[in-house]
Amino acid sequence: TQLLEQSPQFLSIQEGENLTVYCNSSSVFSSLQWYRQEPGEGPVLLVTVVTGGEVKKLKRLTFQFGDARKDSSLHITAAQPGDTGLYLCAVASGTYKYIFGTGTRLKVLA
Amino acid sequence: EAGVVQSPRYKIIEKKQPVAFWCNPISGHNTLYWYLQNLGQGPELLIRYENEEAVDDSQLPKDRFSAERLKGVDSTLKIQPAELGDSAVYLCASSLGVWGTSNEQFFGPGTRLTVL
Repeated sequence: TQLLEQSPQFLSIQEGENLTVYCNSSSVFSSLQWYRQEPGEGPVLLVTVVTGGEVKKLKRLTFQFGDARKDSSLHITAAQPGDTGLYLCAVASGTYKYIFGTGTRLKVLA
Repeated sequence: EAGVVQSPRYKIIEKKQPVAFWCNPISGHNTLYWYLQNLGQGPELLIRYENEEAVDDSQLPKDRFSAERLKGVDSTLKIQPAELGDSAVYLCASSLGVWGTSNEQFFGPGTRLTVL
């Protein structure tokens, strides 16, 4: 049983389009993180959300934590080629241990 | 400040051969993680250290995998003997851990292992 399901698995869009990717689970979590991973590099933390219903913005990226703290979404406005990468969500399981989702591979075409 | 350093970046070996990966975490980071990442998937935790103590190694296949962090700083992950299914990227990460207020993990670039 996969703890964290991310959708879509793959996404290819044109520069300037908007997109939303999702991270879903049947479990409740105290916090959730979003990472972006570029080819040949390790994941880089984008944001941590801890409160149900919380919305955080990072330039053109908007992150939302579900009210019940079981799911989260990442919305990118006016995507750019530099947004290309693997987007991963991760949730805390115990202290200082995170479980990662299956990932969404995004490709933004110029 | 230097980030998490891993070496080698790439390794190609024949099956049944041994292989070792090295990681130097960010200075002052007490917690060190080793992850395995298959192509297109999220990282999966292999082992977590708090200083020199392995506090979570439940996902480490102990029949062939071993790890050490003798002085609580850098760490080595070893596979002996390697199998075809071990081909993956091995990521190291570190965080301030117990003694810090932040639980942000900082990842190294990984070692891409190919077993032929």
